[in-house]
Amino acid sequence: EVQLVESGGGLVKPGGSLRLSCAASGFTFSTYSMNWIRQAPGKGLEWVSSISSSYNYIYYADSVKGRFTISRDNAKNSVYLQMNSLRAEDTAVYYCAREVSGWELIYYYYMDVWGKGTTVTVSS
Amino acid sequence: SSELTQDPAVSVALGQTVRITCQGDSLRRYYASWYQQKPGQAPILVIYGKNNRPSGIPDRFSGSSSGNTASLTITGAQAEDEADYYCNSRDSSGNHVVFGGGTKLTVL
Repeated sequence: EVQLVESGGGLVKPGGSLRLSCAASGFTFSTYSMNWIRQAPGKGLEWVSSISSSYNYIYYADSVKGRFTISRDNAKNSVYLQMNSLRAEDTAVYYCAREVSGWELIYYYYMDVWGKGTTVTVSS
Repeated sequence: SSELTQDPAVSVALGQTVRITCQGDSLRRYYASWYQQKPGQAPILVIYGKNNRPSGIPDRFSGSSSGNTASLTITGAQAEDEADYYCNSRDSSGNHVVFGGGTKLTVL
């Protein structure tokens, strides 16, 4: 079964750090780009970061750039999100998702597998 | 602010057809994908590419695109289709992922 399982969420004080993990199974992890997406309470989906299959393309949303670091270990079938200098507005459920891309007259990108999410709460 | 714009809420009578739209300049270069999210659950992919449904998604869900607007159509809406729907694509640079603000669908 194709599966993503996030872990590492919790309660942290403003200015603190947290490392999220996402363990993949049931597919060839090393051939897929991976993304982190978050959802603040009562709000919509917000893309956080992405990393290509071979680590060479990494992108961040402006809201987290300089504070968050995405990484992956293809040998461990895992992707990570190191979150530093956390703020109250980083409080959210964090999802990891597998990305597929291709061409069908124009480019397409989509996320076909999502984890159940891990909750991060930043509060004093 | 999102580079993809969706109506915040749409309603449809049971069994009728509803269209949910997503607008953005980047949709001229990239297809939108669509996700359904029910309360307390992770999003699930319902439409991707030109008009493709993942396995297990009912054929009452379809997608289309014209210019800078992508649409998700539900033909014969069911009570279980009541959910939030998000469109997703890339920004103009192609490097960043963007989501629409989401549309809350109510089935009356």
